Order: sequence, then C-alpha cells, then structure tokens
Amino acid sequence: RKEVEQDPGPFNVPEGATVAFNCTYSNSASQSFFWYRQDCRKEPKLLMSVYSSGNEDGRFTAQLNRASQYISLLIRDSKLSDSATYLCVVDSGGYNKLIFGAGTRLAVHP
Amino acid sequence: EAGVTQFPSHSVIEKGQTVTLRCDPISGHDNLYWYRRVMGKEIKFLLHFVKESKQDESGMPNNRFLAERTGGTYSTLKVQPAELEDSGVYFCASNRATNEKLFFGSGTQLSVL
Repeated sequence: RKEVEQDPGPFNVPEGATVAFNCTYSNSASQSFFWYRQDCRKEPKLLMSVYSSGNEDGRFTAQLNRASQYISLLIRDSKLSDSATYLCVVDSGGYNKLIFGAGTRLAVHP
Repeated sequence: EAGVTQFPSHSVIEKGQTVTLRCDPISGHDNLYWYRRVMGKEIKFLLHFVKESKQDESGMPNNRFLAERTGGTYSTLKVQPAELEDSGVYFCASNRATNEKLFFGSGTQLSVL
C-alpha cells in the first residue's frame, strides 16, 4: 500500500467548475500536510498547507480529517491556469522528509 | 532573491558512466534535500543535509549514490556507475528551518541509456 494515495485522474472540467481532490495517508504519526502544484516539466510548488480546522486561500479550500487520515482540496471557479498536477504531501511522522502522492491531474478547458 | 538552482537541467549518459548533479540552495538555507521522481512513480525523498552534515540519508537507494555538501553551501549528488533505473528527475530543495516553506529547484532530468 502506498503511503499517500491519490486518484491520478485526469479530471477534465470546464472553466468555472468546482472540483474536489481527495487523498489518504497511512502514517498516523504524520503532523504536517500540504498540497503542492506541479506544472508539466516544472518543480513542485507549495499551494497551501492543510490545517486541522480546515483553511481557505481564495478559491482553494483544504480540509484534514485526522481520524480518517484523509485530506481534501476544493477548487472553486476553475480557471484555465489551474490546469496542473496536484500533489498531496505529508511529513513522515516527526521527521523532516516529505512523502508525496503520485498526484492528480487537472485539465480545465474553455 | 535567487531561488534554488540546479545544474545541469538535463543529462544524458550511458549505463556505467558517472554523473554529478549540483544544487545551490537559497542563500542562508541550512537545510538541503534531494528528492527524485522516476518514470511513472511519485517523488521520493533521498536525503537531507543540515549545513554540511547528513541528517537523514534513509532514502538513498544504494551505494552507487553519493551526496556531499562540503562547506555547507552547495551540494552534489554523484551516481557511479549509473544504471538504467536511475533515470528520472532529481529535485533539490531547501529551507531555512525544517518547519518553514520548502523551495524546490527546477530539477535535473537524468536519462541513462
């Protein structure tokens, strides 16, 4: 079983749509949770950290359920520029290394 | 402020050859990490330096990989001898403190033929 599981997609959505990605992680000791965005042939870039109480940054909302070891990302009013791979990332349980999911591809079309 | 820079951006070598990848972290960042993504797989941790010391090298696949960070500034990752399965994108990342935002370099695409 992978340490971080994501639906690979692709999710093909029209501009303006709302789309949700889910992720599960296996290490109950993980303390830090993130969503990264990776454009084709580019490096991963931090989109947002995920906090227990849930957090929002503009059109993006992240949620964490520690009991279920489940993380989600909601994107509202999708833009063409949101097309990318979204990586669910957790820490390895108190250590300084990050565990990456394989990513979920999003394609937003006109 | 310059970001994390990696050199070369691409490297194509034959099986059995040696390749050295370089990473220059953001100035002042004590923490430096190497990650890699092999074809079709997720990005995986290789190792973590704090200044010049190896904090965690649990992700290094085997003894053909050698990472150094002499002087605690830039780091090199040498693969000797390279094998076909080493092909992938090698990312370097840095941060000032381990609980701070991690910045990634644009990666080195390594192709072993």
